[in-house]
Amino acid sequence: AQSVSQHNHHVILSEAASLELGCNYSYGGTVNLFWYVQYPGQHLQLLLKYFSGDPLVKGIKGFEAEFIKSKFSFNLRKPSVQWSDTAEYFCAVNKNINSGNTPLVFGKGTRLSVIA
Amino acid sequence: SAVISQKPSRDICQRGTSLTIQCQVDSQVTMMFWYRQQPGQSLTLIATANQGSEATYESGFVIDKFPISRPNLTFSTLTVSNMSPEDSSIYLCSVPRRGLYNEQFFGPGTRLTVL
Repeated sequence: AQSVSQHNHHVILSEAASLELGCNYSYGGTVNLFWYVQYPGQHLQLLLKYFSGDPLVKGIKGFEAEFIKSKFSFNLRKPSVQWSDTAEYFCAVNKNINSGNTPLVFGKGTRLSVIA
Repeated sequence: SAVISQKPSRDICQRGTSLTIQCQVDSQVTMMFWYRQQPGQSLTLIATANQGSEATYESGFVIDKFPISRPNLTFSTLTVSNMSPEDSSIYLCSVPRRGLYNEQFFGPGTRLTVL
């Protein structure tokens, strides 16, 4: 069975600090990788995704993530955070198959608090 | 992107009662997923609901406790039966993005509190 580990439960940063949130998964086959964000009181939104190709993917709002297959990792980064980045961040994976959709397996989430 | 709505957005219920949560999508989708997000926890898949067939439940979830209906390609319901305080969670439905089966959109969720 797949599983996803997010190492940081709560991260507190000052504005303009750099961010890196860790995500590791366990699954022997080909996977799709996602980062979702949930701003306070809002829906889950897709931040970025990796299906194939360039392992460095760029998402919305200046976020990027790097897929390192040998480490089973998909860490999220942002060079300079803003107060508006305060949110809960979820890493998720699903199996990459051609025959249709597969459900997502989520990590426990990391709460990011950005202070002025 | 798909527009997904859920009703109710939140509810407070008494132990032993049941609540039916509705999920409406603005386009036809074959597959829908129901997730649960317990307080301070991540999202856990409850079941996969395909139109025209029985829902497929994940380990730890059973049809008697979480019956699901999928009467057409734009609508589904999840019932939380015989509720206990441990059922207090946010319940979310999600659908795959058309043409891009591995990406999913999520509804706003239903926040359930059981007293």
